[in-house]
Amino acid sequence: QTVVTQEPSFSVSPGGTVTLTCGLSSASVSTSYYPSWYQQTPGQAPRTLISGTNTRSSGVPDRFSGSILGNKAALTITGAQADDESDYYCVLYMGSGIWVFGGGTKLTVL
Amino acid sequence: QVQLVESGGGVVQPGGSLRLSCAASGFTFSTYGMHWVRQAPGKGLEWVAFIRYDGSNKYYADSVKGRFTISRDNSKNTLYLQMNSLRTEDTAVYYCANDGGIYFMAYWGQGTLVTVSS
Repeated sequence: QTVVTQEPSFSVSPGGTVTLTCGLSSASVSTSYYPSWYQQTPGQAPRTLISGTNTRSSGVPDRFSGSILGNKAALTITGAQADDESDYYCVLYMGSGIWVFGGGTKLTVL
Repeated sequence: QVQLVESGGGVVQPGGSLRLSCAASGFTFSTYGMHWVRQAPGKGLEWVAFIRYDGSNKYYADSVKGRFTISRDNSKNTLYLQMNSLRTEDTAVYYCANDGGIYFMAYWGQGTLVTVSS
């Protein structure tokens, strides 16, 4: 059973920088898992932020960036704003037509 | 612009069936793989199924394998999810999304709620 791990919650001050991570229970995350990131506010559909580790989707501010940090995928928000307060999900492509989402991180900006 | 509109959700008893639809517009539907992703109330996102652009290959999460069937009609620009033997744990908002080409969900619909309850 593949488990994709994310921090359940995180907080950041307005204007601050925060890095959310996406790991695997039994392996290191690499670009071969094509990590992607999604933002979701309550009652809304997810919004795609980052694909293929570090490619921002159209219209996504450049304060959002993706990378591999150590053995995990990472989403960094630089200069956090109040409307960045959301749930953030990563998903990893496991191969053979299978994707697995992480449990999500609830980000608070205060 | 890309539009994905899900329909077909509702209340169904355990053991029952339901078919969801996702009407696509604003892109060449027949050249994109498509996903279903669900979200149980108060829970995170769960990938459910994927179908290649031509319907030649279909993939499922273990939690729905053997009970759900993903399909598409490229002449109607529509994606489907046939859900059989429904369980209470299938209660969720179901989203369709198109695949961005490098293994990610690019655009999402607004979702349709499925409630499995007696």
